Amino acid sequence: GEDVEQSLFLSVREGDSSVINCTYTDSSSTYLYWYKQEPGAGLQLLTYIFSNMDMKQDQRLTVLLNKKDKHLSLRIADTQTGDSAIYFCAESIQDYGQNFVFGPGTRLSVLP
Amino acid sequence: GAVVSQHPSWVICKSGTSVKIECRSLDFQATTMFWYRQFPKQSLMLMATSNEGSKATYEQGVEKDKFLINHASLTLSTLTVTSAHPEDSSFYICSARGPLGDTQYFGPGTRLTVL
Repeated sequence: GEDVEQSLFLSVREGDSSVINCTYTDSSSTYLYWYKQEPGAGLQLLTYIFSNMDMKQDQRLTVLLNKKDKHLSLRIADTQTGDSAIYFCAESIQDYGQNFVFGPGTRLSVLP
Repeated sequence: GAVVSQHPSWVICKSGTSVKIECRSLDFQATTMFWYRQFPKQSLMLMATSNEGSKATYEQGVEKDKFLINHASLTLSTLTVTSAHPEDSSFYICSARGPLGDTQYFGPGTRLTVL
């Protein structure tokens, strides 16, 4: 079945860039998402990318997709303490409905 | 791993009726459950956070009288879509979190179609 993998922990210094990586197994994935979960809160959608795109930029966030390697990354520029959270990568093979697979989440710690 | 179930998996109802969706944590006690809605061509959007024994906290723009959430026990939360209309047709997903850690376990989702 589908599988999404992420490293579990990442620490960066405030002001540096953070890069969170994700790999997935389903080559038919159509949509790839990044969610942010702050302590005690639910998931908040950060950004998403269609599988026919290589890159998407949204303010401090840059998403890179390497379809050949099935690798997705999220880069956060000028990381701030408020960016400390768990970041989930998710994939879906359709734009609506089931087959929504989440990774285990990467806990980002931003050090002062 | 932890298992979360939802029932029903797919429901079709007439406009004006109410529909109840159940979310159960099968092998752990879920102190917090989250309800999400997925719109076509969009991703999951958080609707509300439900803590056992207390009132749910709704996200901005979500009508609490429209989407009634009850979390009466540590293993069950329900979402009732009242007086459903076709625009409520969507895919509703719950997730559950245990008392330790931030890990959320997602249910398989419920597809609601309102005719």
